[in-house]
Amino acid sequence: DTGVSQDPRHKITKRGQNVTFRCDPISEHNRLYWYRQTLGQGPEFLTYFQNEAQLEKSRLLSDRFSAERPKGSFSTLEIQRTEQGDSAMYLCASSLEGDTIYFGEGSWLTVV
Amino acid sequence: GENVEQHPSTLSVQEGDSAVIKCTYSDSASNYFPWYKQELGKRPQLIIDIRSNVGEKKDQRIAVTLNKTAKHFSLHITETQPEDSAVYFCAATYSGGYQKVTFGTGTKLQVIP
Repeated sequence: DTGVSQDPRHKITKRGQNVTFRCDPISEHNRLYWYRQTLGQGPEFLTYFQNEAQLEKSRLLSDRFSAERPKGSFSTLEIQRTEQGDSAMYLCASSLEGDTIYFGEGSWLTVV
Repeated sequence: GENVEQHPSTLSVQEGDSAVIKCTYSDSASNYFPWYKQELGKRPQLIIDIRSNVGEKKDQRIAVTLNKTAKHFSLHITETQPEDSAVYFCAATYSGGYQKVTFGTGTKLQVIP
């Protein structure tokens, strides 16, 4: 399968713990996005990378969230000191430049 | 930045009827407009897209129209089937630049058999 892959698919964590999600984009895609989606809402932009450079980060994102793409390939999204409001599906997507973006299956986070 | 509004938020149609979902965008520089279908618990999947150099595009029962002057675009589904039931999202971006893809809030389509 050469699509976008995300890991883990599901994560249950206690409030205050740190969690990290990984995304492997489609191999030739140089752009990688992170979105968050809650039930009944559209994907909410978090951040995106062109190669290893982080081009934009949502102002809605607190400093508990950090994303990296160290070699311009896979990316990680870390959430520190999780809160119940962080419960959502975290979607990764990739594209070639600004063209069509393809989503991964998402990583479901439940904070209890 | 870009702002995309989508209407209606929910839509119920009888099987065989047509469904229309409308979106407006704010940034006149946007030139690429994809539509995604998302079934419950699954990833959004691209169903059709349109670029600003054309006004309409069709793919079997699905069509998209674009009015650049008014800055709105629409998704048309004809002869709806129960398997069309899902949430549909429109999006807008400037392809070729550094603008992120901005999504609408979604339309939940229910096709009643």
